[in-house]
Amino acid sequence: KAGVTQTPRYLIKTRGQQVTLSCSPISGHRSVSWYQQTPGQGLQFLFEYFSETQRNKGNFPGRFSGRQFSNSRSEMNVSTLELGDSALYLCASSVAGTGYGNTIYFGEGSWLTVV
Amino acid sequence: TQLLEQSPQFLSIQEGENLTVYCNSSSVFSSLQWYRQEPGEGPVLLVTVVTGGEVKKLKRLTFQFGDARKDSSLHITAAQPGDTGLYLCAGTEGAQKLVFGQGTRLTINP
Repeated sequence: KAGVTQTPRYLIKTRGQQVTLSCSPISGHRSVSWYQQTPGQGLQFLFEYFSETQRNKGNFPGRFSGRQFSNSRSEMNVSTLELGDSALYLCASSVAGTGYGNTIYFGEGSWLTVV
Repeated sequence: TQLLEQSPQFLSIQEGENLTVYCNSSSVFSSLQWYRQEPGEGPVLLVTVVTGGEVKKLKRLTFQFGDARKDSSLHITAAQPGDTGLYLCAGTEGAQKLVFGQGTRLTINP
């Protein structure tokens, strides 16, 4: 079956702009979680959605937001982009969520460069 | 805040050698996972350990969960160039968010 699909794969934005990233989970998966990966900070949890409700949230400013639609597809938005937002943004999906050692499946990520 | 520290951060060895990567925390985790990430791709789950003292083997890879569920190790026997990648440990406590270590970048030289 198809894996987790993230779009776009690569994008360049200017400081102050906003960006929306999209994630289509594996069919049947109701949980979608988002992560930011940078060389300095590693892989950090942004938030998790399950059945359209935000279930967990990481320690990121309010400029980072997300949502999940009824078909489990998810989007994350970053407003007022800063240079430090340049990163690989990864989406992962699972049947029941990221807790309890459940298996999660990552997409290939969206590379965001802020200039 | 739960933190996971991985060591070493970088490791470069010759094909055929053995190696061990460590993942340590002061916090207790109900489960711990190991992932491998290759350039341009997302992390791929290798194993999940949930019981203190648990040992799991995946071909030449051996994973161990500490008795107190605060640490884990990944041992690779007779490393091959195909083992090259970024190895990440990640832990969770119950329904809480997944916490990742900084990763170990492993290079196996032919």
